[in-house]
Amino acid sequence: AQSVTQPDIHITVSEGASLELRCNYSYGATPYLFWYVQSPGQGLQLLLKYFSGDTLVQGIKGFEAEFKRSQSSFNLRKPSVHWSDAAEYFCAVAGGGSYIPTFGRGTSLIVHP
Amino acid sequence: DAGVIQSPRHEVTEMGQEVTLRCKPISGHNSLFWYRQTMMRGLELLIYFNNNVPIDDSGMPEDRFSAKMPNASFSTLKIQPSEPRDSAVYFCASSSLEGQGPDTQYFGPGTRLTVL
Repeated sequence: AQSVTQPDIHITVSEGASLELRCNYSYGATPYLFWYVQSPGQGLQLLLKYFSGDTLVQGIKGFEAEFKRSQSSFNLRKPSVHWSDAAEYFCAVAGGGSYIPTFGRGTSLIVHP
Repeated sequence: DAGVIQSPRHEVTEMGQEVTLRCKPISGHNSLFWYRQTMMRGLELLIYFNNNVPIDDSGMPEDRFSAKMPNASFSTLKIQPSEPRDSAVYFCASSSLEGQGPDTQYFGPGTRLTVL
């Protein structure tokens, strides 16, 4: 069965600093990988997804993620964080004939001015 | 498109009462998902439908929970009787599953349920 781990419950960064949110998955073959963002009081919104091809994926709002098969990771990055990026971030994985993603527990991003 | 629509946005009820949550998916999407989000358990998939048919309801906590999708544009999640431990945010999401791989899930704004 597929699973995903987000090791960091909370991450605090200063506005303008770079960001990396970690995501590790467990799945035997090539997975389908997603990052979603949830702003307070709202539903989840897709930031980016990886299905195949280039392992560096560009998403909305200036985010990118890199698929590293050797490390079973799909970390989310942004070179310069804005205060409006404060939110909950979820990594998700699907595969193995099941197209239903399994979500991680989420990482809460706090941005200091 | 208005996106996924959920109602009500907030629901406060007393233990033992019946609660019905409603969802209108994005037009043209053939799959619909109900999730529950709590601090303790995170985001849990309760049930999903494909072409209006329930495919996997293994996440439904117990018989007090039931879900229906009478047509492609409407679904309900019912809790009867409700209990305080059902307090959570319930999300509905829709997507297009066409057999070529998972598609993006589009989430509604959620219903915050409080059972007193």
